[in-house]
Amino acid sequence: EPEVTQTPSHQVTQMGQEVILRCVPISNHLYFYWYRQILGQKVEFLVSFYNNEISEKSEIFDDQFSVERPDGSNFTLKIRSTKLEDSAMYFCASSEYDSNQPQHFGDGTRLSIL
Amino acid sequence: AQKVTQAQTEISVVEKEDVTLDCVYETRDTTYYLFWYKQPPSGELVFLIRRNSFDEQNEISGRYSWNFQKSTSSFNFTITASQVVDSAVYFCALSGPGNTPLVFGKGTRLSVIA
Repeated sequence: EPEVTQTPSHQVTQMGQEVILRCVPISNHLYFYWYRQILGQKVEFLVSFYNNEISEKSEIFDDQFSVERPDGSNFTLKIRSTKLEDSAMYFCASSEYDSNQPQHFGDGTRLSIL
Repeated sequence: AQKVTQAQTEISVVEKEDVTLDCVYETRDTTYYLFWYKQPPSGELVFLIRRNSFDEQNEISGRYSWNFQKSTSSFNFTITASQVVDSAVYFCALSGPGNTPLVFGKGTRLSVIA
């Protein structure tokens, strides 16, 4: 069964550094998402992406965040200047047609900011 | 605004017991979608079910069953004859029509004891 893959599984970064989280969505999916889960808390929406542009973003997704689809397969989340509070599990998800189809999630990248 | 409430923070049961996880939602949309995801200790999010607002038929899949009641805005999840492998955090989620993001509840941590 096709799946969403995320790399790396764990990223440790010094505060203030830039970090790029990578995702390969399911190949025939058109909608892509990033969510964040701070340890022990609920999963929160960051941004959705369709047709090479942002569809919707939450209040969390401020100017330090950006997303990109650099080629036909990868979907990346960049955090420009990481803060301690960016430490979380970051999930990539993709879906067919629109978000009312099930979103299939990757295994997540655990980001630890020191 | 959309909201999902999972009032049960933690549940502990003995193996082979049945357990029901509660989910209550709020939305002003007439068309909406409800989801359940499982998050095992390894951290990934596993899609379990999607239900649209026009389909109140209960669903059974093996030991899992879901009870959707619009009258009480609830979408409860029952595991019959629970097993240790069912131990996980279970999230209920809601999305509206169109490309709207998932809104997650805070999750219920289920521990099944052998």
